Amino acid sequence: DGGITQSPKYLFRKEGQNVTLSCEQNLNHDAMYWYRQDPGQGLRLIYYSQIVNDFQKGDIAEGYSVSREKKESFPLTVTSAQKNPTAFYLCASSNRVGEKLFFGSGTQLSVL
Amino acid sequence: KNQVEQSPQSLIILEGKNCTLQCNYTVSPFSNLRWYKQDTGRGPVSLTIMTFSENTKSNGRYTATLDADTKQSSLHITASQLSDSASYICVVAGQAGTALIFGKGTTLSVSS
Repeated sequence: DGGITQSPKYLFRKEGQNVTLSCEQNLNHDAMYWYRQDPGQGLRLIYYSQIVNDFQKGDIAEGYSVSREKKESFPLTVTSAQKNPTAFYLCASSNRVGEKLFFGSGTQLSVL
Repeated sequence: KNQVEQSPQSLIILEGKNCTLQCNYTVSPFSNLRWYKQDTGRGPVSLTIMTFSENTKSNGRYTATLDADTKQSSLHITASQLSDSASYICVVAGQAGTALIFGKGTTLSVSS
């Protein structure tokens, strides 16, 4: 069954803690993305990757980090520097940058 | 400033009725316009993608129109069903389709 898998579905972060959100795709897509969704707001791009071992900052990269060591995986770390991390995080992929996006089912991150 | 404005913010209709959602944009240069459906707590799913030269595109009961001259798009839903209850997001792609500007979405509720 092809698609994008995000885990966990729900995640809680304590003050000063780093947490990592997982994103795996088996669509053989080159490009992968992380978006943040806040209530009543449009999606905002955090990071994107066009190819393995390469990634670019999006509009709101501060307080986040990513890696792209494998084509199918693009984990997002929310660091303690991100002071307002509570949001719904969406991972997406496309065959190439600019083409149709396929989204995962999202991770809801909350602060304890 | 590149912006995507959607209206109405929310809409309630009876099952079986038709409805039309609006999207106005100021993105320039323009590559394509996309409509997504997002169920609560899930990732968006692509409905249509239209380029500059396309005026209309259908996907089942969903029909999107595009007027690139006036920078307006609409999404028409025919014979609504309870499962159509969701947020509908308009996304405009800038040059080469790389820079995506997301609207805040229209929340549709279909009641029986």
